[in-house]
Amino acid sequence: EAGVTQFPSHSVIEKGQTVTLRCDPISGHDNLYWYRRVMGKEIKFLLHFVKESKQDESGMPNNRFLAERTGGTYSTLKVQPAELEDSGVYFCASSPSGRDNEQFFGPGTRLTVL
Amino acid sequence: QKEVEQDPGPLSVPEGAIVSLNCTYSNSAFQYFMWYRQYSRKGPELLMYTYSSGNKEDGRFTAQVDKSSKYISLFIRDSQPSDSATYLCAMTGGFKTIFGAGTRLFVKA
Repeated sequence: EAGVTQFPSHSVIEKGQTVTLRCDPISGHDNLYWYRRVMGKEIKFLLHFVKESKQDESGMPNNRFLAERTGGTYSTLKVQPAELEDSGVYFCASSPSGRDNEQFFGPGTRLTVL
Repeated sequence: QKEVEQDPGPLSVPEGAIVSLNCTYSNSAFQYFMWYRQYSRKGPELLMYTYSSGNKEDGRFTAQVDKSSKYISLFIRDSQPSDSATYLCAMTGGFKTIFGAGTRLFVKA
């Protein structure tokens, strides 16, 4: 069974540009989460989808971040325009329905904003 | 004050040693307590989770939760060089998951 996949694995962009990160969860997992780890800090929650609906987006830093989950399958996280402080590793995780405690993580996307 | 405190280490032990990793927390609403292992440049991998207080054992790994002290532990018996990684505690209570900063563990052969 395929795990959580993320694309790209690494992205380097200039300040002010737009970047879109993609996450494909494990098939059948209703829950999809986005997290971010900024260098030297702990992994922080960004938002949680249940199927195609945003269950909790309290961790989204500001309105430059937009997350979507079309049809309850894959999800995208767009940063527009990117700022220097957006650099970090963005993780996606998924879990079966009702199992927030059993999250499976993807390998992450390392975003560098210059 | 952070909701979850975890000593970042690094912690260096000889092969075969018993390793003790710990986290403290402040939010009494947490119900599930998880331990993740993360190798360099990889995503976190769920090792085990515990619901409420008590112990849970899985092979060489034992997780303990003491809700009265708001303290959780992960013990690794007969540690191996392949156990060298960052260990993250995480907690949830039906709301967003909160992670500790992670402890870097080195097991020397």
